[in-house]
Amino acid sequence: DTEVTQTPKHLVMGMTNKKSLKCEQHMGHRAMYWYKQKAKKPPELMFVYSYEKLSINESVPSRFSPECPNSSLLNLHLHALQPEDSALYLCASSQGQWQTQYFGPGTRLLVL
Amino acid sequence: QKEVEQNSGPLSVPEGAIASLNCTYSDRGSQSFFWYRQYSGKSPELIMFIYSNGDKEDGRFTAQLNKASQYVSLLIRDSQPSDSATYLCAAYSGNTPLVFGKGTRLSVIA
Repeated sequence: DTEVTQTPKHLVMGMTNKKSLKCEQHMGHRAMYWYKQKAKKPPELMFVYSYEKLSINESVPSRFSPECPNSSLLNLHLHALQPEDSALYLCASSQGQWQTQYFGPGTRLLVL
Repeated sequence: QKEVEQNSGPLSVPEGAIASLNCTYSDRGSQSFFWYRQYSGKSPELIMFIYSNGDKEDGRFTAQLNKASQYVSLLIRDSQPSDSATYLCAAYSGNTPLVFGKGTRLSVIA
């Protein structure tokens, strides 16, 4: 089983809203990732968690705040986003950091 | 700067033909390589990974790695219209994030 789940599938939010994206995996993977993907571009790494600790923050603006409550769950808290933040947000997990990554279905975010 | 290069396409092949997707990488220290398939509006799906020089086959897919030439390819035999998608090549180099190519759009014509 290589399933990573993400909720919600779609999200529309205003620039003053606060929302959260959720990612879950039950494969026993110890590394989890957030990516942002714009149309016709490859995924762009945002954050990496390894053993529930933030390992990498790719200079992401503070309006994006990740959280890893446990080894199976990864959240991305959103606040005061801009329209240019509209994108497909992908979660991925791997057995260990820098091993084969499996992607979730993504959350399509639209910021109005 | 670690880079993975792919021809953006579109690569058009007739149904039943072999589709050949190519990828080159700049970092000679790259150790593992991945091919992901991404349908429009969907997330990337892992197709193949390869670590060693040579060929690796899985059903209709064959990944080929040539470290001396810094070249990775994906062959899709008996291409089907359902194979039409963007194929992302990605590489790991030591303890650094996965580097993606920009993807090759494949169109299989029925």
